[in-house]
Amino acid sequence: GAVVSQHPSWVICKSGTSVKIECRSLDFQATTMFWYRQFPKQSLMLMATSNEGSKATYEQGVEKDKFLINHASLTLSTLTVTSAHPEDSSFYICSAGPWTSGNNEQFFGPGTRLTVL
Amino acid sequence: QKEVEQDPGPLSVPEGAIVSLNCTYSNSAFQYFMWYRQYSRKGPELLMYTYSSGNKEDGRFTAQVDKSSKYISLFIRDSQPSDSATYLCAGMKTSYDKVIFGPGTSLSVIP
Repeated sequence: GAVVSQHPSWVICKSGTSVKIECRSLDFQATTMFWYRQFPKQSLMLMATSNEGSKATYEQGVEKDKFLINHASLTLSTLTVTSAHPEDSSFYICSAGPWTSGNNEQFFGPGTRLTVL
Repeated sequence: QKEVEQDPGPLSVPEGAIVSLNCTYSNSAFQYFMWYRQYSRKGPELLMYTYSSGNKEDGRFTAQVDKSSKYISLFIRDSQPSDSATYLCAGMKTSYDKVIFGPGTSLSVIP
């Protein structure tokens, strides 16, 4: 299947700092990527839809000024957690799909574990 | 009401058993149904991908979708300790849409 990577896989930061997480599609182009968040022992919840060349679409209750998304190319989307606080500590996962004829599955990255001290 | 519901478990079975995992969903617009496997501290891995109602088999795994009752099932035959993970069922309206996940069922296969 198609490969989606994330970097870093794990990050610890101090409260009040900003953290950038990268999501890359390695062997296909992705005009749309999705960002999810997963708290311990809970399921994945969609945060936002990242569209190449345009503004992201955020789910209800997700602060767009806190979670900045930039989809600058067809293979890269970034999520920046600004002024991070301990309650932002979570597992952040992105997804994308080739969405070409014959392959319309969606693949998930390995996730980034964020710990805010 | 959540769009996708499943029993969180935990479910514990002996090695070699047949495992049955079930979900219900409420969104009639869902056309694509998936099962993902997630190991601790890892991203979800796509196991089965089904369009509309019907059965799909892949090795030891069989997925069933009944749109009339909004019921999704995953069967695992000859379960192995390596199958111990959280299993997430999910639905999508279109193939390039966001994935709506259930809460996941934790499975342990005991050697």
